[in-house]
Amino acid sequence: GAGVSQSPSNKVTEKGKDVELRCDPISGHTALYWYRQSLGQGLEFLIYFQGNSAPDKSGLPSDRFSAERTGGSVSTLTIQRTQQEDSAVYLCASSLVGQLETQYFGPGTRLLVL
Amino acid sequence: QKEVEQNSGPLSVPEGAIASLNCTYSDRVSQSFFWYRQYSGKSPELIMSIYSNGDKEDGRFTAQLNKASQYVSLLIRDSQPSDSATYLCAVKTNAGKSTFGDGTTLTVKP
Repeated sequence: GAGVSQSPSNKVTEKGKDVELRCDPISGHTALYWYRQSLGQGLEFLIYFQGNSAPDKSGLPSDRFSAERTGGSVSTLTIQRTQQEDSAVYLCASSLVGQLETQYFGPGTRLLVL
Repeated sequence: QKEVEQNSGPLSVPEGAIASLNCTYSDRVSQSFFWYRQYSGKSPELIMSIYSNGDKEDGRFTAQLNKASQYVSLLIRDSQPSDSATYLCAVKTNAGKSTFGDGTTLTVKP
């Protein structure tokens, strides 16, 4: 079956513009995570969706960042008024909820803000 | 204190040696523990998961869990150059999300 897909794979934008990043999780996976990874750094948690529960937004770095998950499937991460420090790889992962909750990662979106 | 802490690294071992990667966590109610491998420029992928105290072996990889000490480790036997990557420890409570450590970069020298 298909894995997690993300689009676009690369995005170059100008400072101040808004960007939308998309994640298509594995079908049937109820949990979805967004992470940010700067070059040579670890995974920075951004937001977690689990079924119909309210999302855990505790990792969003500022109010310029928002995310939604429609119909329990596709998710969109939106960054408004992008800044140069937003440049990073944005990774999405999905999983089934359970004790051994393996996360399956997408290939990521490389965002460069000029 | 970070929720999940790993050796700062980088770790370098010769080919054929045992590589030992360590991880400690702060939340005592953590129930599930994961090791992911991330090659440079790629996304993380799961190597092993463990939720019971003791050892779990899968080929050249052994995960060790000690909940009393809040410690989980990954041993890689007969290390190969292809094992060179960053290894990420992740910890999950039953009710909540998984939390990742910052990772340890391993280099296996031929």
